[in-house]
Amino acid sequence: GESVGLHLPTLSVQEGDNSIINCAYSNSASDYFIWYKQESGKGPQFIIDIRSNMDKRQGQRVTVLLNKTVKHLSLQIAATQPGDSAVYFCAESSGSGNTGKLIFGQGTTLQVKP
Amino acid sequence: GAGVSQSPSNKVTEKGKDVELRCDPISGHTALYWYRQSLGQGLEFLIYFQGNSAPDKSGLPSDRFSAERTGGSVSTLTIQRTQQEDSAVYLCASGLGGQKTQYFGPGTRLLVL
Repeated sequence: GESVGLHLPTLSVQEGDNSIINCAYSNSASDYFIWYKQESGKGPQFIIDIRSNMDKRQGQRVTVLLNKTVKHLSLQIAATQPGDSAVYFCAESSGSGNTGKLIFGQGTTLQVKP
Repeated sequence: GAGVSQSPSNKVTEKGKDVELRCDPISGHTALYWYRQSLGQGLEFLIYFQGNSAPDKSGLPSDRFSAERTGGSVSTLTIQRTQQEDSAVYLCASGLGGQKTQYFGPGTRLLVL
């Protein structure tokens, strides 16, 4: 069945360092991937997305990399700040007969040390 | 502009009671989704609406769960005869038809005693 998994449940980084959060997916039909940030007591906040016809996409301080060969997705955060502390979720959506529903991973907690 | 809103933000109910959760999507968004998030877990898809129709209800866990959408806007998720295992955060998301990006509301935290 479909599954999306994150490699590490918790990532601790020093303020100012770069962070890399990894995600693996199993559905080769997935054609859309998205990262969300969720702070305690809030709903998921959109960070960045990427379609399967791309390998890389950049936003403000964030980059998403997609490796379809090994079904791997990563989120890179440059110059990590205390405000980046949150749980990060990757999610995927498959193409055929698609309703657009997202399949979520379990989340990685990012802790930023001052 | 205004984001997705949900009400109530918190709901405590007794086992066996019915509850209704409301979602107001972003204006103009034709796609609406309900997800459930148990403590410390990822999000679990429940149901998808396109306009007022629900072409995908595959995530509803039992026939105690139902949802409707009226006027292509507001949606209500109803849980009948609530059980303790229904305790979770219920999240609503909306999106533009034809695009896959979904924007989430703050969620309703449901506690069944």
